[in-house]
Amino acid sequence: TQLLEQSPQFLSIQEGENLTVYCNSSSVFSSLQWYRQEPGEGPVLLVTVVTGGEVKKLKRLTFQFGDARKDSSLHITAAQTGDTGLYLCAGDGSGNTGKLIFGQGTTLQVKP
Amino acid sequence: DVKVTQSSRYLVKRTGEKVFLECVQDMDHENMFWYRQDPGLGLRLIYFSYDVKMKEKGDIPEGYSVSREKKERFSLILESASTNQTSMYLCASTPGGRIYGYTFGSGTRLTVV
Repeated sequence: TQLLEQSPQFLSIQEGENLTVYCNSSSVFSSLQWYRQEPGEGPVLLVTVVTGGEVKKLKRLTFQFGDARKDSSLHITAAQTGDTGLYLCAGDGSGNTGKLIFGQGTTLQVKP
Repeated sequence: DVKVTQSSRYLVKRTGEKVFLECVQDMDHENMFWYRQDPGLGLRLIYFSYDVKMKEKGDIPEGYSVSREKKERFSLILESASTNQTSMYLCASTPGGRIYGYTFGSGTRLTVV
């Protein structure tokens, strides 16, 4: 069974601080995605990474896929209160059905 | 803008009732999914469908069934609702393939009393 473990589970920081969220597995994934979910809403896709070692930037967010395609990280620079939410990583290990395996999520609270 | 629409944001049902949760997507996606989301347990896959009239069990199908008569619509049915099915239910769709992400609906928060 493929599993994705996220750490930390909870993070509470002040506005302006930097943070990193990790997503780890013992399994290889063909791609990995990050989502953000706000309370009472569905998750929204932030990025997909498909190549080992790939780095993608989305404004203040930097996503990295591990060389072996077993892990990923999300780094936020100078966090803002609007970054508050649940961050989910998800891996595609099962071909063209598009079936994803989700991590448990990291709840981020950014305080003003 | 692509959309996945779930018919209800909030539902309150009684134990033993048959409950229908509807999901419609306007993106001509092949694959559709139903998840439930509970604190501490993350997203758990109930059922998914990769084509009209096709369905596959996910990780927690017990107590649920699904219907996909048309490509754009995927329905989740709780045959006889129980209090342990109180949860947030999320529908998602994707065209399939490893580079495409999911588009989620806004969710249905179901309370069974």
